[in-house]
Amino acid sequence: QTVVTQEPSFSVSPGGTVTLTCGLSSGSVSTSYYPSWYQQTPGHAPRTLIYNTNIRSSGVPDRFSGSILGNKAALTITGAQAEDECDYHCVLYMGSGIHWVFGGGTKLTVL
Amino acid sequence: QVQLQESGPGLVKPSETLSLTCTVSGYSISSAYYWGWIRQPPGKGLEWVGSIYRGGSTYSNPSLKSRVTISLDTSKDQFSLKLTSVTAADTAVYYCARPRVGHWFDPWGQGTLVTVSS
Repeated sequence: QTVVTQEPSFSVSPGGTVTLTCGLSSGSVSTSYYPSWYQQTPGHAPRTLIYNTNIRSSGVPDRFSGSILGNKAALTITGAQAEDECDYHCVLYMGSGIHWVFGGGTKLTVL
Repeated sequence: QVQLQESGPGLVKPSETLSLTCTVSGYSISSAYYWGWIRQPPGKGLEWVGSIYRGGSTYSNPSLKSRVTISLDTSKDQFSLKLTSVTAADTAVYYCARPRVGHWFDPWGQGTLVTVSS
């Protein structure tokens, strides 16, 4: 069974930089998995931040960036703001069969 | 601007069938390559439920086995989800979304909570 891993929680100071990761229980994440990232505030639908590894969705501030770091996909927030405190989800495209697998999400605290 | 809106019963009894509809506005449903459903149990992460392709082919999460049926109604710009033999584990917020070329989801509907309880 394919499991996508994310840190359950992370903390960053206002103005600081944080990198959240998205990995595989077995194997490495590459651009071939088309990693995408979503931001979700309580009671709201997810909002697209990054797709195709590193392309920012329309209207997303440039303090959000995506990449592959080592064997994982990564979302980096540079200059974190209080409004960035929420949940972040990644999803990997697995191709035929399973299609998409989401990670468990990371709860980011800004304090 | 493309908008998606889920609708359906908020309460379903165990062993019965969950039925939801997603209405698409601002876009012809037949113009997109595929459409999808994603769910989120309370306090948990997101889970891909299934997708339907323009030609009518459907794919669902293997964890849901054969309980999922997804269909298109191009005359109404709607697509639907049926999940049979539900249990409390199927309690979740269900989102409809458009998978994009490049395998990401946008836009999303606002989501609808479905509770499975007697």
